[in-house]
Amino acid sequence: DSGVTQTPKHLITATGQRVTLRCSPRSGDLSVYWYQQSLDQGLQFLIQYYNGEERAKGNILERFSAQQFPDLHSELNLSSLELGDSALYFCASSVAVGQVVSGYTFGSGTRLTVV
Amino acid sequence: GNSVTQMEGPVTLSEEAFLTINCTYTATGYPSLFWYVQYPGEGLQLLLKATKADDKGSNKGFEATYRKETTSFHLEKGSVQVSDSAVYFCALSLPAPGAGSYQLTFGKGTKLSVIP
Repeated sequence: DSGVTQTPKHLITATGQRVTLRCSPRSGDLSVYWYQQSLDQGLQFLIQYYNGEERAKGNILERFSAQQFPDLHSELNLSSLELGDSALYFCASSVAVGQVVSGYTFGSGTRLTVV
Repeated sequence: GNSVTQMEGPVTLSEEAFLTINCTYTATGYPSLFWYVQYPGEGLQLLLKATKADDKGSNKGFEATYRKETTSFHLEKGSVQVSDSAVYFCALSLPAPGAGSYQLTFGKGTKLSVIP
């Protein structure tokens, strides 16, 4: 157990629907990162939050949004889902936004299947 | 922009064979470098890291040396085991432009299969 908890582990939904993925960071970590892993694109950085504030955006679609709550858990909202959104979504956390010399701690991911 | 290039997989080796997975990077500045491993059905785990030139990261028999002159961070292991079968990701960490924070940029991953 890495200490980063992601729920649900699996999600199957239809095109056009909206889903919410949840992440609880490791105890003491203030920074949360969301990544999308697909076969063709590899690991793509989506968005980062630090202590409730958005800090960096990567290749995140406008249909996707995220937030980090006062208790530091984070949610990734995916709407108007398309078949191509099917992927593994990972959350990772780190202590701070400074130099990540110790790396990130990853959760085990949520596998989203859009049918 | 910053990027990481890994050798294409999959790589299939016999048990006790020598492993090398090549990784090169392009970056503005001086990144920290990492190797992550993803076992089937699991998330990524940090395998080893190096934060400055000529540093050698090592863990579980794996090694990688930060070579600034060749912008490389190749992963090696002298004798692989079946339990090493996984996907290996090379990554670098640098400040995100204008964001005041650091983020990891990953290579596409290399799948390793070790057969008995």
